[in-house]
Amino acid sequence: EAGVTQSPTHLIKTRGQQATLRCSPISGHTSVYWYQQALGLGLQFLLWYDEGEERNRGNFPPRFSGRQFPNYSSELNVNALELEDSALYLCASSFVNTEAFFGQGTRLTVV
Amino acid sequence: GQQLNQSPQSMFIQEGEDVSMNCTSSSIFNTWLWYKQDPGEGPVLLIALYKAGELTSNGRLTAQFGITRKDSFLNISASIPSDVGIYFCAVHSNAGGTSYGKLTFGQGTILTVHP
Repeated sequence: EAGVTQSPTHLIKTRGQQATLRCSPISGHTSVYWYQQALGLGLQFLLWYDEGEERNRGNFPPRFSGRQFPNYSSELNVNALELEDSALYLCASSFVNTEAFFGQGTRLTVV
Repeated sequence: GQQLNQSPQSMFIQEGEDVSMNCTSSSIFNTWLWYKQDPGEGPVLLIALYKAGELTSNGRLTAQFGITRKDSFLNISASIPSDVGIYFCAVHSNAGGTSYGKLTFGQGTILTVHP
């Protein structure tokens, strides 16, 4: 069974541009979580989608947005990129209130 | 919000030593999860705990769901160099409203193992 897959693996963007990151959850999982991890530090919660709806968002500006599609895959959009947005972006999927599984992450570099 | 306090923040140990780390909260949870993250990779689920008092092992790893449902610990016995990484505890929030079910992580414990 395929695990959580994220694309692209690496992404280099210029300050001010937009980035789109994608996540395909484990088959059957309805929840997708997005986290930002800078410099190998803690996991900062970004967004949580379940059954196509945004359930909760972390303390990030509105230029961080996303959506979940009918097949439960998800994308994270970051507009007006800033240098400090450079980080590892992690996606996890689960059924609600069960163990979550992570993808390998997308390394976003803003130059 | 429902905060998790994970300690210690970092540990430097010799190969062969045992390791213990824990997570505490002022809130009660129904699930405790433990993850390990290697550098540049996504966290990998190590152990999931669903019942208060539950003690679960996975090889050299042992984790327990505290009887009060407010804490959990993870032990690693006879550490080896490949145990190096960041260990996270996590819970599904049972707060009301839109936070119910949200996956919340501790701050992480950075483990370094010297050969």
